[in-house]
Amino acid sequence: DTEVTQTPKHLVMGMTNKKSLKCEQHMGHRAMYWYKQKAKKPPELMFVYSYEKLSINESVPSRFSPECPNSSLLNLHLHALQPEDSALYLCASSQDPLVKKLFFGSGTQLSVL
Amino acid sequence: DAKTTQPNSMESNEEEPVHLPCNHSTISGTDYIHWYRQLPSQGPEYVIHGLTSNVNNRMASLAIAEDRKSSTLILHRATLRDAAVYYCIPDMEYGNKLVFGAGTILRVKS
Repeated sequence: DTEVTQTPKHLVMGMTNKKSLKCEQHMGHRAMYWYKQKAKKPPELMFVYSYEKLSINESVPSRFSPECPNSSLLNLHLHALQPEDSALYLCASSQDPLVKKLFFGSGTQLSVL
Repeated sequence: DAKTTQPNSMESNEEEPVHLPCNHSTISGTDYIHWYRQLPSQGPEYVIHGLTSNVNNRMASLAIAEDRKSSTLILHRATLRDAAVYYCIPDMEYGNKLVFGAGTILRVKS
C-alpha cells in the first residue's frame, strides 16, 4: 500500500468556521508534510513532522494548526481563515525526514467564503 | 543566489521521446537531483532521483551532466498520460526540505 489518503476531497468553509483536514498513510513512514498549492503555482511547504514531532514550520499563520496524533495520521486544523487561504492542501509522507522520495495524496481543495 | 531553471513549457508528440532539461549551476557535489511530476488534479508524484551517474527506472531516465550543472529527464515514449508539470528539484541549500520551483508544463499531442 503506497497510498496517502486525504479527506475530505473538497471543503467549503466560512471565515468563522472551524474545520480539519485529515491525512493518513500506512507505509510506516515517519515523516509527514503539509503543502499548500494555489492554482497554476508550485506546491509550497507549510509544515514537516518528523517522528510525530513538528520539525519545520514555514512561518505559517496560526490560523493553521497542524497535529500528528500518531505515526499514521496528520491533521490540519483550520480556524478563522481568509479567502486568500483558498487553495489545494496536499499531504505527503516519506520514510524518514532525510529521504526525499515523498508520496503525496490527491489533496483537499479548500474554498473559503 | 542558488537557482534552478527549467523551460516554462514543452510540447511532444505521442510515442516520441521527450528530453526535459534542467539547469542547476550552483549545485554542490553532494546534492541529489530529484524529479517529480504533477498530473492534472493530482498531487505530485516522484519520478526519479540521482547524484552523479545516469539513472533508469520504469518511468524515466535521468541523465546528469559530467559537471553536474545540468540534468535531463528522458521519457522514452511519451503518452498522453505523461502530460503534466515536471519539477526538477536539486537539494542545494534547502536542507531537509523538498522545495518546488515553477517546473515545466509538458503537453503531449496525439
